[in-house]
Amino acid sequence: LAKTTQPISMDSYEGQEVNITCSHNNIATNDYITWYQQFPSQGPRFIIQGYKTKVTNEVASLFIPADRKSSTLSLPRVSLSDTAVYYCLVGDEDGGFKTIFGAGTRLFVKA
Amino acid sequence: GAGVSQSPSNKVTEKGKDVELRCDPISGHTALYWYRQSLGQGLEFLIYFQGNSAPDKSGLPSDRFSAERTGGSVSTLTIQRTQQEDSAVYLCASSYQGYSDTQYFGPGTRLTVL
Repeated sequence: LAKTTQPISMDSYEGQEVNITCSHNNIATNDYITWYQQFPSQGPRFIIQGYKTKVTNEVASLFIPADRKSSTLSLPRVSLSDTAVYYCLVGDEDGGFKTIFGAGTRLFVKA
Repeated sequence: GAGVSQSPSNKVTEKGKDVELRCDPISGHTALYWYRQSLGQGLEFLIYFQGNSAPDKSGLPSDRFSAERTGGSVSTLTIQRTQQEDSAVYLCASSYQGYSDTQYFGPGTRLTVL
């Protein structure tokens, strides 16, 4: 049962801002929204997490509307090294404490 | 401090053999996850351990798969009578308390079943 929906892939050019939107219509009240980045042959690594409104760190920004049914990861001025798969996660509304990774969004950054 | 470690990094086995994959989580992390990732695919949840609670095994694909976590630390994922479709990268992650806590991933074990 899919918890999140993301675009399968996106293309961009160096220096552009990239926005990846994730839908999570069944997000539960207690769920946080977390994004991970995965490079080939590596495990995913945490990028950013938020509950509502906007969160910004040194890597990215996360925009969450009031209804929390979607979220947008924003990567400013991407470089070739940002080519990776990006995963959006929310908690499992069926209870328990695990989180479910979807298929992710494969971002290609071109020169 | 040390991150999540997994061993072996690569494992090649013959169809029908049993394999054991090991995960050493970050010290003090109560939650431990196993995932499977086939080539070019997303992560498939397998099993989740949280403290002393009964593990969530809902992602194990068949009864050939099992996992245990001894002393709330090291975990072993066992695959019996391996099949070619078991070939994948098996990733382990740990987090401080589980749920929305940041998961820290190990480098994975690449399993190839011939």
